[in-house]
Amino acid sequence: DAGITQSPRYKITETGRQVTLMCHQTWSHSYMFWYRQDLGHGLRLIYYSAAADITDKGEVPDGYVVSRSKTENFPLTLESATRSQTSVYFCASTLLDYTGELFFGEGSRLTVL
Amino acid sequence: AQKVTQAQTEISVVEKEDVTLDCVYETRDTTYYLFWYKQPPSGELVFLIRRNSFDEQNEISGRYSWNFQKSTSSFNFTITASQVVDSAVYFCALSGQNDYKLSFGAGTTVTVRA
Repeated sequence: DAGITQSPRYKITETGRQVTLMCHQTWSHSYMFWYRQDLGHGLRLIYYSAAADITDKGEVPDGYVVSRSKTENFPLTLESATRSQTSVYFCASTLLDYTGELFFGEGSRLTVL
Repeated sequence: AQKVTQAQTEISVVEKEDVTLDCVYETRDTTYYLFWYKQPPSGELVFLIRRNSFDEQNEISGRYSWNFQKSTSSFNFTITASQVVDSAVYFCALSGQNDYKLSFGAGTTVTVRA
């Protein structure tokens, strides 16, 4: 089925380890986003990408790295995980259409011990 | 900078009551877009509506209605005759013209009791 999928859905890691969250969409949407959701903050933008090989920082990019070598994939890497990065991470994509609707993945719950 | 404020953290109502969620925004853009998303207990994010800054008409979709008032920078959301299935976190969000980076409010948790 077409859609946007994230993996892993759940991850427990330790401080200092590298973690990569994967995001794959089958619509060929040009824009892709990574948000983190924390209680009291709603969703905050980490990084976004307008197309393959074009990425830019969002509101809270520190400690994260992204890449987009293919239109359909947008992995998010925590190079050295910290406890403050414990969160639920959402990937999203959109076309530049009238509705401007973001299509979200199911989320990846990351716990950093 | 864009900012969205949802002052209500939690709202609890009894089934069939109406509930109104407040959303106040700040932006310097003259053209912008406002959104509402729903996040049910299962965790996914569901798009509800998008309005552009030039369209101040109120909108109704079934039991949902939205009141956009540019003069007060508000985009409030009302659920009429609430049902248990309306229990969710509701997010208001804002983006600028040609800018698909959404700024979200902190969310309002709605609990509808049977």
